Amino acid sequence: DGGITQSPKYLFRKEGQNVTLSCEQNLNHDAMYWYRQDPGQGLRLIYYSQIVNDFQKGDIAEGYSVSREKKESFPLTVTSAQKNPTAFYLCASSILVNTEAFFGQGTRLTVV
Amino acid sequence: SQQGEEDPQALSIQEGENATMNCSYKTSINNLQWYRQNSGRGLVHLILIRSNEREKHSGRLRVTLDTSKKSSSLLITASRAADTASYFCATDAYSGGGADGLTFGKGTHLIIQP
Repeated sequence: DGGITQSPKYLFRKEGQNVTLSCEQNLNHDAMYWYRQDPGQGLRLIYYSQIVNDFQKGDIAEGYSVSREKKESFPLTVTSAQKNPTAFYLCASSILVNTEAFFGQGTRLTVV
Repeated sequence: SQQGEEDPQALSIQEGENATMNCSYKTSINNLQWYRQNSGRGLVHLILIRSNEREKHSGRLRVTLDTSKKSSSLLITASRAADTASYFCATDAYSGGGADGLTFGKGTHLIIQP
């Protein structure tokens, strides 16, 4: 099945620890995105990548880092510098940047 | 910054009625998209309308775009209980450095009463 997979679905971490969220797609899409969603809120763009080995900051990149070493993979690291990391994180991909996006099912991160 | 803003924030209607939600945005766009999100899930793409289009249909969905007013509307006809979800508009954004990524509004939460 073609699609975009995020893992894990739920993640718990202690404050001060870095944590990496996985996002893999087998749709052969060039563009990938990471969004953060807080309760009752819209999506805010963290980072996006238009092509392998390239990525750009979104609106709320502080405290996050990404890599795009392979076309299929766009992992997001939530660092200890992120002041309020507890949120629902969504990964998406599209054939080209800003075209129809396909979303994963999300990772709910809770930092205690 | 969030480019699109949906209105209303919440909408509750009876099954069978039509639901209309609106999206306003700030800067010029190449296309505008509508997505649906069921609670706690990822988003699903519904429809994309290009800046040179004024209206587009897909099944029970009708989207309009008015670039002079920087606004779009999504109409769902003959609503069903399964249409209960949050609906988001997304716009492409471009700056001097190129594409800035898809930006989403805060969404309209639609509840269909049986």
